[in-house]
Amino acid sequence: DARVTQTPRHKVTEMGQEVTMRCQPILGHNTVFWYRQTMMQGLELLAYFRNRAPLDDSGMPKDRFSAEMPDATLATLKIQPSEPRDSAVYFCASGGQTNTEAFFGQGTRLTVV
Amino acid sequence: AQSVAQPEDQVNVAEGNPLTVKCTYSVSGNPYLFWYVQYPNRGLQFLLKYITGDNLVKGSYGFEAEFNKSQTSFHLKKPSALVSDSALYFCAVSPATSGTYKYIFGTGTRLKVLA
Repeated sequence: DARVTQTPRHKVTEMGQEVTMRCQPILGHNTVFWYRQTMMQGLELLAYFRNRAPLDDSGMPKDRFSAEMPDATLATLKIQPSEPRDSAVYFCASGGQTNTEAFFGQGTRLTVV
Repeated sequence: AQSVAQPEDQVNVAEGNPLTVKCTYSVSGNPYLFWYVQYPNRGLQFLLKYITGDNLVKGSYGFEAEFNKSQTSFHLKKPSALVSDSALYFCAVSPATSGTYKYIFGTGTRLKVLA
C-alpha cells in the first residue's frame, strides 16, 4: 500500500532550536508539496517541487525556513531558528504525472515552546 | 484573487439522512476541483475530483459531488450519512493554468453525523 511517510510524527522543541522534518514521497511520484495547517490559517502551501526542483516557495518565510529534495526519495523542511508561532502540523504530499490528486502524509505535529 | 469558500464551519446531520457540504470557488478558467477528508490526527485523504465531463462525480465511501459551472460550486453529497463520516472536509481547487497540484484549499467544514 503506497503512502507518503513523514518523520517525526511529533516534535517538541525549544524556541531557537533547529527543526528538520522529513518526507518520503510515494515511489515514482515527481511532485512534492509542503503544507502547514493551523487553526487560524487553515492549510497553507509552503513549497512545491517537481522533479526535485523548487517551483514555488512563495508561501515560506525565507529567513528561517528552507525546503530541499536531496534525492527523489527524500524531501526535507527545515526551520532555523524555530519560534513558537511555527507550532503547527506540517504535511507533505506527493503526486505523480498521471494523476492530478495529491496524496498526503500523516503530518508532523510541531510544538515550539 | 483566487479563492475557495466553504460557507459552513460545521454541518450536523442525523444518521441515515442525506448530507451536503458546500463549496464555491472564484478561479479563472476551468479549474480542477477536489474534495478531501481529514480524520483526527491524520493527513488528508482524497475523496473525489472533477476534471471534465459529467457534472456528477462519484468518489470513495459513497460520496459524490456536483459541479455547477454557472454557480461556480462543487458541493459534496451523500444520500445516507453514517456516524463514521464525521470528519473535517476540505474543498480544493487547482487553477488549470498553474498546472495541477497547486491547490487552493477552503477553510474546511466539520461534519458531525448524529446517531
